[in-house]
Amino acid sequence: GAVVSQHPSWVICKSGTSVKIECRSLDFQATTMFWYRQFPKQSLMLMATSNEGSKATYEQGVEKDKFLINHASLTLSTLTVTSAHPEDSSFYICSARESSGSLGGEQYFGPGTRLTVT
Amino acid sequence: AQKVTQAQTEISVVEKEDVTLDCVYETRDTTYYLFWYKQPPSGELVFLIRRNSFDEQNEISGRYSWNFQKSTSSFNFTITASQVVDSAVYFCALSDHYKAAGNKLTFGGGTRVLVKP
Repeated sequence: GAVVSQHPSWVICKSGTSVKIECRSLDFQATTMFWYRQFPKQSLMLMATSNEGSKATYEQGVEKDKFLINHASLTLSTLTVTSAHPEDSSFYICSARESSGSLGGEQYFGPGTRLTVT
Repeated sequence: AQKVTQAQTEISVVEKEDVTLDCVYETRDTTYYLFWYKQPPSGELVFLIRRNSFDEQNEISGRYSWNFQKSTSSFNFTITASQVVDSAVYFCALSDHYKAAGNKLTFGGGTRVLVKP
């Protein structure tokens, strides 16, 4: 159990276009999902916390109008990078926190999405 | 504010050697959780261990062992008899207790381990 998927696993887009990344909890419900960004050879940095049915909470320095987060259901959160630029190229990782029950509120990570903006 | 420091950026060992990864953390919370994750070249994070702040017992799992010392705010990780498959980046992370260990994580900078045959 406790599987989180991300789609796509990698994407290449042109500068100025928008890209949507999906994060799904496959076998549990996730009230909260987190979005992290990892630049090459660096650590994971939290971008935002996504709560089902409410607005996301963004970390300091993360532009909420550029990184749109929607958490419309208990199993799906999406991150849209709007008007992407080469500096947005990164590895985006989501994690999902199980709402209740046997998994005890643990946080599970998706496999990541590698975004390259040309 | 929470902070996690992994002073070693890269460690290179020869297979079968032991390797210890250091992790020092800072938090004002009295209840918190510490984690170690492995990130192989594929990029997917692999959960290794979670430890809460009230449990200072050391833990061993196969070739992995962890030494939690609250007095020095450290949570070190040792791989015994390293293997080539252990080559990866290892992250130490910290979260507070809010809603039972599922809150946002603060990651250390990571330590890249290279095990040579």
